[in-house]
Amino acid sequence: GQNIDQPTEMTATEGAIVQINCTYQTSGFNGLFWYQQHAGEAPTFLSYNVLDGLEEKGRFSSFLSRSKGYSYLLLKELQMKDSASYLCAVLDSNYQLIWGAGTKLIIKP
Amino acid sequence: ETGVTQTPRHLVMGMTNKKSLKCEQHLGHNAMYWYKQSAKKPLELMFVYNFKEQTENNSVPSRFSPECPNSSHLFLHLHTLQPEDSALYLCASSQDTGRGPDTQYFGPGTRLTVL
Repeated sequence: GQNIDQPTEMTATEGAIVQINCTYQTSGFNGLFWYQQHAGEAPTFLSYNVLDGLEEKGRFSSFLSRSKGYSYLLLKELQMKDSASYLCAVLDSNYQLIWGAGTKLIIKP
Repeated sequence: ETGVTQTPRHLVMGMTNKKSLKCEQHLGHNAMYWYKQSAKKPLELMFVYNFKEQTENNSVPSRFSPECPNSSHLFLHLHTLQPEDSALYLCASSQDTGRGPDTQYFGPGTRLTVL
């Protein structure tokens, strides 16, 4: 079966750095997405990786290793507004999005 | 504001009621999706429409009935629901059906409670 694993919850301190991991086992691979979802709001697109390596977008970076079936989202200089759930999703060989259950990130002052 | 709106934002209904959820996208996209989001579970894809035609129906019970009158509007008609159907129902749209690395844009969801 297809599976996406990410931690259920993480806690970090304002101003610090946090890394949210995602491992996947899917039928084929056509890219990996990260979305951010604040409580009661729409998931919003953060990043898309299809090639190995690190992609940086301001305070957020996303890394992919296809051989290891692994990705992480790196958040730097954490702010209170970064408290949200972070969803990992993989596009499989049929271009279907397979979703993880999300990681709830709690930022403490 | 993602360009995708959903109404109502909250809905409480009894098991014998009939209600409808509405989604509208203002992005000029061709594909629209219904998802179910339950606490601590992955998003479950329910239905996909591309150019108003249904292209996916992921074994969803018949008490959920989608309707897509045009590429900008999507409805989910609900009848005789069960308490386990209580969840956040998310609508999304994308440029194409996903035959490529399409980014999906989500609405804020309808929080449904079935009593």
